[in-house]
Parts: sequence; C-alpha cells; structure tokens
Amino acid sequence: GQQVMQIPQYQHVQEGEDFTTYCNSSTTLSNIQWYKQRPGGHPVFLIQLVKSGEVKKQKRLTFQFGEAKKNSSLHITATQTTDVGTYFCAGRVEYGNKLVFGAGTILRVKS
Amino acid sequence: SQTIHQWPATLVQPVGSPLSLECTVEGTSNPNLYWYRQAAGRGLQLLFYSVGIGQISSEVPQNLSASRPQDRQFILSSKKLLLSDSGFYLCALQEVVNTGELFFGEGSRLTVL
Repeated sequence: GQQVMQIPQYQHVQEGEDFTTYCNSSTTLSNIQWYKQRPGGHPVFLIQLVKSGEVKKQKRLTFQFGEAKKNSSLHITATQTTDVGTYFCAGRVEYGNKLVFGAGTILRVKS
Repeated sequence: SQTIHQWPATLVQPVGSPLSLECTVEGTSNPNLYWYRQAAGRGLQLLFYSVGIGQISSEVPQNLSASRPQDRQFILSSKKLLLSDSGFYLCALQEVVNTGELFFGEGSRLTVL
C-alpha cells in the first residue's frame, strides 16, 4: 500500500535557527498537504500543493512539491517558540479520497 | 463554517469493556468523515472513512468498528477494548467541494488499563 515517510522524527533547534522536514511517498501523489499539531492539540491544515515543482510561502514557512510529485518539504526560516509542535505531511494518490499521513516531525525550539 | 464535536474528550476504560466515541459535525452537508488514531508521540493512523450514510471503509483490521447512522454523525465502537487501543482518537471531515483539506475535531483521549 501507499506509504509516506517523513524525516527527521525529531528536531531540537535554537530560536532563530532554520528548520526543515522532508516527506517522501512510495507512489506518485495528486497532491500533498501539510498540517501542524501543537502539543496537546489537534492537527490544523497549513497548505496544499498540487502542481509538480510548486513552491508556496506563508510568512517564514516555505513549502515545496517535487518535480516527480513524490516528495515534499517544509522549511521554516528563523524559528520562533511559537513554531513548536509536530508537522505532518499527508499525501493523496490520484483518484483517491484517502490522505496518508507521514509519521510527523516533532519540533522543539530553545529560547 | 464547519465545526466538529467529539465526546467524550477523555476516558479511562478497563480492558474488555466496550467503547463508543461520537463525532458530530455542523455547518456542512454530505462530508467525507474519517477516524484517525494517534499513539503517544506518533503519527496519524487512518482507521475508517465514510463517504455517506451507512458507507464505511475500514483501513486496519482490528477490534474496532465504525458507523454512520446520519449524515453528520460518525461513531467509533468496540465490544471489548485491548490495551493497545489506548491513544488519541481524532475525527475529521472533508468537504467534498473544497480543496480536500481535513478539519479535525478536538479529539478523544482513551486510556485502557
């Protein structure tokens, strides 16, 4: 079945440092979504990427979708303590309803 | 806008006891509904999804079941809980007409002792 791998599992950065999490799918995706889950909370949708090679930005967050539509990344510039949480990617195969989530990357920020 | 209600928020159950978690949605019609489970510090595992009343697809064979008796109601059940059923259960909806993003409820935290 479809698998979505996400690395790293955990990252601890100093406030102001950059952070990147990577997502790889075993199959070609129709789109990929990113979610953020604050400690003790529920996942909240951040963004969806659809086109091959697409890049989208939300303030300090940059999202990329690979040319082959099998990988994606989320990069945070100059992390802040409000960035702490778990970041999940979720991929949808073509003609499917299901989203398959990666295991998530836990981000901790030291101030 | 759509809202999702899950209850109970927290429960502690003995092994072998039954389970019923309820999810109701408002502000939308005919959504796709999902049950996910998240073990402590882990990712999201899709358990069930439903595209309409009475239509349930199971992703992981186990001692859990799901039902959708009404368009805006999704129930997760078990006849006999196992220790491994402990976790954070999240209900999510997906509006068919939008981009396909999932809106999650606040979750139900289950501890089986």
